[in-house]
Amino acid sequence: GQQVMQIPQYQHVQEGEDFTTYCNSSTTLSNIQWYKQRPGGHPVFLIQLVKSGEVKKQKRLTFQFGEAKKNSSLHITATQTTDVGTYFCAGPRTYNFNKFYFGSGTKLNVKP
Amino acid sequence: DGGITQSPKYLFRKEGQNVTLSCEQNLNHDAMYWYRQDPGQGLRLIYYSQIVNDFQKGDIAEGYSVSREKKESFPLTVTSAQKNPTAFYLCASSIRPSHYNSPLHFGNGTRLTVT
Repeated sequence: GQQVMQIPQYQHVQEGEDFTTYCNSSTTLSNIQWYKQRPGGHPVFLIQLVKSGEVKKQKRLTFQFGEAKKNSSLHITATQTTDVGTYFCAGPRTYNFNKFYFGSGTKLNVKP
Repeated sequence: DGGITQSPKYLFRKEGQNVTLSCEQNLNHDAMYWYRQDPGQGLRLIYYSQIVNDFQKGDIAEGYSVSREKKESFPLTVTSAQKNPTAFYLCASSIRPSHYNSPLHFGNGTRLTVT
């Protein structure tokens, strides 16, 4: 089953509000990646975090990797309707890096 | 342009029939993967291949088979043994196996419906 959990499963926000999704793993991840899947589309790579405690920004998106490399978060400031989609975290294990696990995803809906 | 091509986009089959989903990449990537996506369950790994002529089972390999005879191609066969085959199937590739920290590039997917 899934070894990487994401919360919340769904999030509905008004345009302009902030949004955060959290990703938690039961074991240490060597790195974590974030993907966005638009409705009806395929996942598209957003960013990768490798170092413990790492923080990266892409315009209104802020990504964090936990100190223990077991959790991560994606924060979107002032959401726009173009942010609509499902956000997934994913990562291989440090001891079984051949398997790339995806979180269950957070579906974001933005009301104009 | 480089990318991953999955065909067909939609596929309909009768129960009991085997069906093969195509995945071709011209990115010169070493590793290729097959994922299954069901509503609310994210992506689950079916099979992956790090190099030609080698592939490994993922978490839900039962009822599926693959081959990797060429670097560019990684077809997935959904056999009649797969109990619940209706799903969205995504093929992906990475320049190196995932433990070298390379991102996945996905195809547009094949939506399989079995009745």
